[in-house]
Amino acid sequence: NAGVTQTPKFQVLKTGQSMTLQCAQDMNHNSMYWYRQDPGMGLRLIYYSASEGTTDKGEVPNGYNVSRLNKREFSLRLESAAPSQTSVYFCAGGQGVGSPLHFGNGTRLTVT
Amino acid sequence: DAKTTQPPSMDCAEGRAANLPCNHSTISGNEYVYWYRQIHSQGPQYIIHGLKNNETNEMASLIITEDRKSSTLILPHATLRDTAVYYCIVRVAGNQFYFGTGTSLTVIP
Repeated sequence: NAGVTQTPKFQVLKTGQSMTLQCAQDMNHNSMYWYRQDPGMGLRLIYYSASEGTTDKGEVPNGYNVSRLNKREFSLRLESAAPSQTSVYFCAGGQGVGSPLHFGNGTRLTVT
Repeated sequence: DAKTTQPPSMDCAEGRAANLPCNHSTISGNEYVYWYRQIHSQGPQYIIHGLKNNETNEMASLIITEDRKSSTLILPHATLRDTAVYYCIVRVAGNQFYFGTGTSLTVIP
């Protein structure tokens, strides 16, 4: 049982490049989330998907797009990476009200 | 939106109970309080959650005040491996969880 799996674990991009961060869960979660964490700070919500086929903005959505491909997969895309997007990105899944989130181990992204 | 306030840092002697406070004065009646911890830069690890009643599991106890404006996470016998950043969060706006900056707990030998 893998839980929440994120790929890649590490990535270095140059300014202006694009990439997609992948997240897959095998816990049958209805909701999925993307957070970013900058050094010394807490997690900030980028986007979330309450159910398959729906997505909504969180606190810091600018510069990102998401796709809920199916119930298992929720991807985060950076169309034109900027140094300000250097961060650790966490994906999480949850079942609904009253249920906790389960997190992946993160993708460490550096934009030069 | 309900948000939480936690002290930035705390120390605790190994083997003693660690009591981590959290204020959530704007919490509404149907919002749960969740506690997570993060060791180094790993993904946050779920600890415990509750709505109104006190809760206990194999990791910790959660004490919620009667007015639900604050709560305390208790690690009954802290070990060095409990050194981490602890987050108290409230689920707001349906499916959104908002994290603050948490409490950095250091367990001292």
